[in-house]
Amino acid sequence: GAGVSQSPSNKVTEKGKDVELRCDPISGHTALYWYRQSLGQGLEFLIYFQGNSAPDKSGLPSDRFSAERTGGSVSTLTIQRTQQEDSAVYLCASSLRTRGSGTGELFFGEGSRLTVL
Amino acid sequence: DAKTTQPNSMESNEEEPVHLPCNHSTISGTDYIHWYRQLPSQGPEYVIHGLTSNVNNRMASLAIAEDRKSSTLILHRATLRDAAVYYCILRAAGTASKLTFGTGTRLQVTL
Repeated sequence: GAGVSQSPSNKVTEKGKDVELRCDPISGHTALYWYRQSLGQGLEFLIYFQGNSAPDKSGLPSDRFSAERTGGSVSTLTIQRTQQEDSAVYLCASSLRTRGSGTGELFFGEGSRLTVL
Repeated sequence: DAKTTQPNSMESNEEEPVHLPCNHSTISGTDYIHWYRQLPSQGPEYVIHGLTSNVNNRMASLAIAEDRKSSTLILHRATLRDAAVYYCILRAAGTASKLTFGTGTRLQVTL
């Protein structure tokens, strides 16, 4: 597809279970971002990948959260031992890396809605 | 990241212009001003960005103050489809770093 694709679109899980959320960025985009948005709140940055550089993990809320990006393309966000406060929409975005212009417009997917019971 | 300040909410009538303000008094010389918007139940989408000069595109115009400490996103004729949360974000040049979203301005458009 032409846009950022995320799956699953909806996930309901029980507290304590592990979940994996997948993001398929736009082809050719070297930068990939994960954000989460709790109900009625703004976007919270989680992690950022840029090419082969070490990811910026500064937004991950705890060590239960991890993400990887294989082959510079698809990314998986994993949440271990889910808690009710992890319930949110998890948004993935990708962009081209540009230099000097401050652009690199982010293209967002439609998100994965996670509900932890 | 330098901070931006926006009103929590604004209202507009349909087909009237809308001016969405953003203050960024601590902006650095290399920061670009980006605007994104988030329609209900969707991910954010890019609207416009600029550095010093005013900018126009098919979606909106961006007016940047001469001292760059504030900017205004202008929707020339608001429609019901423009009802969204609008985010003003500063982004350093020369990098594809993360965008830090604030709380934005929720725009309501009424008939």
